[in-house]
Amino acid sequence: DARVTQTPRHKVTEMGQEVTMRCQPILGHNTVFWYRQTMMQGLELLAYFRNRAPLDDSGMPKDRFSAEMPDATLATLKIQPSEPRDSAVYFCASGLFLGRSSGANVLTFGAGSRLTVL
Amino acid sequence: ILNVEQSPQSLHVQEGDSTNFTCSFPSSNFYALHWYRWETAKSPEALFVMTLNGDEKKKGRISATLNTKEGYSYLYIKGSQPEDSATYLCAFKSGKLIFGQGTTLQVKP
Repeated sequence: DARVTQTPRHKVTEMGQEVTMRCQPILGHNTVFWYRQTMMQGLELLAYFRNRAPLDDSGMPKDRFSAEMPDATLATLKIQPSEPRDSAVYFCASGLFLGRSSGANVLTFGAGSRLTVL
Repeated sequence: ILNVEQSPQSLHVQEGDSTNFTCSFPSSNFYALHWYRWETAKSPEALFVMTLNGDEKKKGRISATLNTKEGYSYLYIKGSQPEDSATYLCAFKSGKLIFGQGTTLQVKP
């Protein structure tokens, strides 16, 4: 089965440290989303890319978060400097979306990266 | 701001009961409505995607309906089983995919 691979699965770090989470989307998928699971907001959209181009990162705190897709097989989410309030599970998901007519395509989620910032 | 609302927030039912939840979404700029099932300690998995007003989808005991004119979708579970216990998420697609808060279902044996 094709799957979305996220690393690391778990990360414990100290406040102020840089954290990088990585995602390998399913081969052939052109859209990658980053979500954060929080108690208050469920699945919160941080950023998404189509064909490696960032389309929306309005959900990310710009001063400390950055998201990139250096190539079609890798998406990264970086937090620098990290803060305790960033502790959450971060999910990457990918899908194939070719415009409005392909709205029927679903997302496949990775297993998530659980981040704890002390 | 795109608002996707789900109700109820949580639900406890007995095995064998039938149940349903609601997802409300903006009725403009609609591309698709997704339903996902999210078990504890796992990742969300897709149940249905609906794109047309009046769509009905079914998978086993679970079914969903869509009304794009008024901006709501219902998810039904017939004869709930303990293994149906999970959080059910809907997501509204208009370009980006925005998730609701989810409805957490607990089915007691």
